Amino acid sequence: GAVVSQHPSWVICKSGTSVKIECRSLDFQATTMFWYRQFPKQSLMLMATSNEGSKATYEQGVEKDKFLINHASLTLSTLTVTSAHPEDSSFYICSATPLAGGPSDTQYFGPGTRLTVL
Amino acid sequence: AQSVTQLDSQVPVFEEAPVELRCNYSSSVSVYLFWYVQYPNQGLQLLLKYLSGSTLVKGINGFEAEFNKSQTSFHLRKPSVHISDTAEYFCAVSGYTRTDKLIFGTGTRLQVFP
Repeated sequence: GAVVSQHPSWVICKSGTSVKIECRSLDFQATTMFWYRQFPKQSLMLMATSNEGSKATYEQGVEKDKFLINHASLTLSTLTVTSAHPEDSSFYICSATPLAGGPSDTQYFGPGTRLTVL
Repeated sequence: AQSVTQLDSQVPVFEEAPVELRCNYSSSVSVYLFWYVQYPNQGLQLLLKYLSGSTLVKGINGFEAEFNKSQTSFHLRKPSVHISDTAEYFCAVSGYTRTDKLIFGTGTRLQVFP
């Protein structure tokens, strides 16, 4: 089946530093990747939609200058949390839609990245 | 716009008992419906999905769900749960295009007791 990986799985950083999270589709090409954020005991909130070779589309209320998304290839999207602060601590999950897939029935999720900002 | 309501935030159940996790949705257009499971500190795994056709959908791990258009519901059921089914379950809805967003419900915590 389609596999999506995320790296790192867990990161701790100091306030004010930047953190990059990678999302890779391991055995398929993905034109579209999605980035979600999940607070403890809450649902997933879509942050942005990332399309290969173009600018990401951010959801309302998500700061695009703080959460930089790059989708440089058909298998890799990155999320950079710039100047991270404790309120950015969360579980970040990506998903990917296969290039050759059908309609939106095939969104495959990564295992998530736990970010803790001290 | 679409929305999803999961009526129960927590469902406690004893092992080998049946369980139903409720999901209702709202949409002005036809949608696809999904159930995902999330184990602690992990991503989401697709349990099952309804795209079209038969309204009874069978998924992995013995789960099934029934799409009811008149009641705008997509309840998840399992006739006999195991301890290993303890997890968070999310119902989700999306539109028909490949780039449509998945809209998630708030989740239901299924806790299976021995």
